[in-house]
Amino acid sequence: KNQVEQSPQSLIILEGKNCTLQCNYTVSPFSNLRWYKQDTGRGPVSLTIMTFSENTKSNGRYTATLDADTKQSSLHITASQLSDSASYICVVSVNTNAGKSTFGDGTTLTVKP
Amino acid sequence: NAGVTQTPKFQVLKTGQSMTLQCAQDMNHEYMSWYRQDPGMGLRLIHYSVGAGITDQGEVPNGYNVSRSTTEDFPLRLLSAAPSQTSVYFCASSFVGTGAGGEYSPLHFGNGTRLTVT
Repeated sequence: KNQVEQSPQSLIILEGKNCTLQCNYTVSPFSNLRWYKQDTGRGPVSLTIMTFSENTKSNGRYTATLDADTKQSSLHITASQLSDSASYICVVSVNTNAGKSTFGDGTTLTVKP
Repeated sequence: NAGVTQTPKFQVLKTGQSMTLQCAQDMNHEYMSWYRQDPGMGLRLIHYSVGAGITDQGEVPNGYNVSRSTTEDFPLRLLSAAPSQTSVYFCASSFVGTGAGGEYSPLHFGNGTRLTVT
């Protein structure tokens, strides 16, 4: 069964600090992996999309990495801001049809002043 | 562009009542889908569509119906509401297929409908 596991479940950090969120998957055959940010009361918004051949991709203070051999991805947030407080969801797709995506349960990040 | 619009934002139903959650997108996306999100759980796919006239079941389809008569609209119908259907429902859309803007198109989500069934 295709699965996506995220850790930690929740995380509290101080403003200005860095943090790393983890995503392990057993989805096969792999097509692409996306990280989404979900603010409270809102729908998820895509941060990055990574394909099999990509190891690292940055979007401002967000940097995603992918190790397709170990089936692991991470999302690193640099110099955190209060607005980074949200749930971060890892989504892995088996083909180009989004209907075949598997969602992780998300990591809830709280950034405190 | 408004993106993906969901209505209503909040709804309270009594057990056994029926209702339709509305979803519309103005991005000419072929793919549309419905998810439910329960506390502490990930988004679970209810139904999806890859184009007008085409629908398919997702992970948790029981108790829900969908139709896709136009590219823009993808309503979700609760046939006979049950307390187990209390959840936040999200609609999402994307391009489908190969080529620029299609093959790895991210999902665009609405802001959800919070449904309570008593």
